[in-house]
Amino acid sequence: DIQMTQSPSSLSASVGDRVTITCRASQSISSYLDWYQQKPGKAPNLLIYAASSLQSGVPSRFSGSGSGTDFTLTISSLQPEDFATYYCQQSYNTPLTFGGGTKVEIK
Amino acid sequence: QVQLVESGGGVVQPGKSLRLSCAASGFTFSSYGMHWVRQAPGKGLEWVALISYDGSNKYYADSVKGRFTVSRDNSENTLYLQMNSLRAEDTAVYYCAKDTHLSVAAKNFDYWGQGTLVTVSS
Repeated sequence: DIQMTQSPSSLSASVGDRVTITCRASQSISSYLDWYQQKPGKAPNLLIYAASSLQSGVPSRFSGSGSGTDFTLTISSLQPEDFATYYCQQSYNTPLTFGGGTKVEIK
Repeated sequence: QVQLVESGGGVVQPGKSLRLSCAASGFTFSSYGMHWVRQAPGKGLEWVALISYDGSNKYYADSVKGRFTVSRDNSENTLYLQMNSLRAEDTAVYYCAKDTHLSVAAKNFDYWGQGTLVTVSS
């Protein structure tokens, strides 16, 4: 199975900050990497698919990059509604696997 | 608009069975692969199963293989998860989720239900 490792597991940031979350795969997954945002008590929401493609309706302050084993989710200017937990997921093969999550909290 | 509504969750004793349902609307259900994803209380996301658009292919997480069965009824726009031999570690919110791609699954999820809680406890 492909293991997905996210870092950091949590971070504190202020509104307007640039935030970067990283995700590493245990083997190459090409660009089969997706990012989700989850707010408490809600289902996850797809932000980025295929490593760098922005899902329809997602604000342009979210961006993704990377290929192979190392990936990054960047929020260019953190907004109040962005405080949430973020997960990466490999869609390269089954079993599909998620990273452990990164909780973005208010500083 | 796309809607996914799960039902069937509840409290069940270890070793017993439960069947979850997911009623889909707002899209051509028979054209998309569908997934089950779960989340234990306070924990991260865990993919459980995928069924292809026509039901001919099914894939499972190792943790549920041999105990859970995913199925679908395209005439009723409904997805199912039959869970047998339940364990305490199966306690979670179970989400159904729609695959992003028409026909051949892309193995990511663009719409999710609200989730249904399954608690396995004596």
